[in-house]
Amino acid sequence: AQTVTQSQPEMSVQEAETVTLSCTYDTSENNYYLFWYKQPPSRQMILVIRQEAYKQQNATENRFSVNFQKAAKSFSLKISDSQLGDTAMYFCAFMSGREGKLIFGQGTELSVKP
Amino acid sequence: DGGITQSPKYLFRKEGQNVTLSCEQNLNHDAMYWYRQDPGQGLRLIYYSQIVNDFQKGDIAEGYSVSREKKESFPLTVTSAQKNPTAFYLCASSMGLLLRSTEAFFGQGTRLTVV
Repeated sequence: AQTVTQSQPEMSVQEAETVTLSCTYDTSENNYYLFWYKQPPSRQMILVIRQEAYKQQNATENRFSVNFQKAAKSFSLKISDSQLGDTAMYFCAFMSGREGKLIFGQGTELSVKP
Repeated sequence: DGGITQSPKYLFRKEGQNVTLSCEQNLNHDAMYWYRQDPGQGLRLIYYSQIVNDFQKGDIAEGYSVSREKKESFPLTVTSAQKNPTAFYLCASSMGLLLRSTEAFFGQGTRLTVV
């Protein structure tokens, strides 16, 4: 069975600094998709960034980038120039390329301090 | 506007009663998902469906049931067999694997309280 693990329940960072959130996963599949979602206090889930496992290049979306290490089954999220609006719960997610099952980690609560 | 709608936003039920949570999408998505969110436990998958008239159990399906009779609808029934049903429930949809578009869009959630 696939699993997703986020080992940092809470993190904090100063505004304008850089922070990295960790995520590891376990699967026997070779084709899959990885995601980072953000959940602000409104509880609306928002996609931050997506990575296809068959792509070696790390995905980047503006201030957000990932470090995808397929062999190590690691998928960390780096937020550069942190802003107060980045304060939220962040979830790492895995989607099976075979059956479409989408599972999430336990989440990391990020606080950006002024 | 296209989107995914969950209703109601808040739901109260007495213990022992079945209750059905609604999830409707007008995005023409093939895949739909139900999650439960408890404090400190992230999102846990209850059921998912990749196509009409077919669905699979997730990691915590016991005490829940679903149907997928229409592409746009994926209702979740919380039965009296669910031991601790009070939680925040999220529904999501995506275009599906066949189209290689895997981004999931979420509804705004239903907060279920059983008293």
